[in-house]
Amino acid sequence: DQQVKQNSPSLSVQEGRISILNCDYTNSMFDYFLWYKKYPAEGPTFLISISSIKDKNEDGRFTVFLNKSAKHLSLHIVPSQPGDSAVYFCAASARGGGSNYKLTFGKGTLLTVNP
Amino acid sequence: DTGVSQDPRHKITKRGQNVTFRCDPISEHNRLYWYRQTLGQGPEFLTYFQNEAQLEKSRLLSDRFSAERPKGSFSTLEIQRTEQGDSAMYLCASSLGLAAVVETQYFGPGTRLLVL
Repeated sequence: DQQVKQNSPSLSVQEGRISILNCDYTNSMFDYFLWYKKYPAEGPTFLISISSIKDKNEDGRFTVFLNKSAKHLSLHIVPSQPGDSAVYFCAASARGGGSNYKLTFGKGTLLTVNP
Repeated sequence: DTGVSQDPRHKITKRGQNVTFRCDPISEHNRLYWYRQTLGQGPEFLTYFQNEAQLEKSRLLSDRFSAERPKGSFSTLEIQRTEQGDSAMYLCASSLGLAAVVETQYFGPGTRLLVL
């Protein structure tokens, strides 16, 4: 039972254009969402997060949108740069239930930004 | 460098051997997590410490796995009698857990285990 789904295994965009990565979740208890970027042979690097009390959070070229009714979030990267090429993971946490802060991850989307 | 560190970065072992991995979290972080990532999958939660107390273990963590965090600082993950199915990237993450404050987990570079 996959509670966090990234249905696009890969995405290819041109440098300077917008990259949109999507994520769906099924567990209505999730209330905190994060995006991580991962290069080969390295650990995931935190990018941006959003709490369920918000519907948008922006940090430089990165914006995350949350649609709670649809249980959907997306990461927008504008403008895309070749250095953004990596695997992007969506992760979710259900913090309201007490001491359990573990992250549940999707399978990732490989983003390739072409020069 | 004040990030999360893990040692070793790579480990090759033969089936049946024991292995131990170490994680040093960011110094002021009280929470420490272990995850496992296999090819084509996202990281999967294994276990979680708050200070020195191990508060949750995933059902993925069989009896052959044991984790410790003595004195609430570094942590070790030991796998006994390794099997080929244990081959994976083992990731450690830490966070500063404060009540009513959103927290972000920061990951180390991982230890890649290959069981022959």
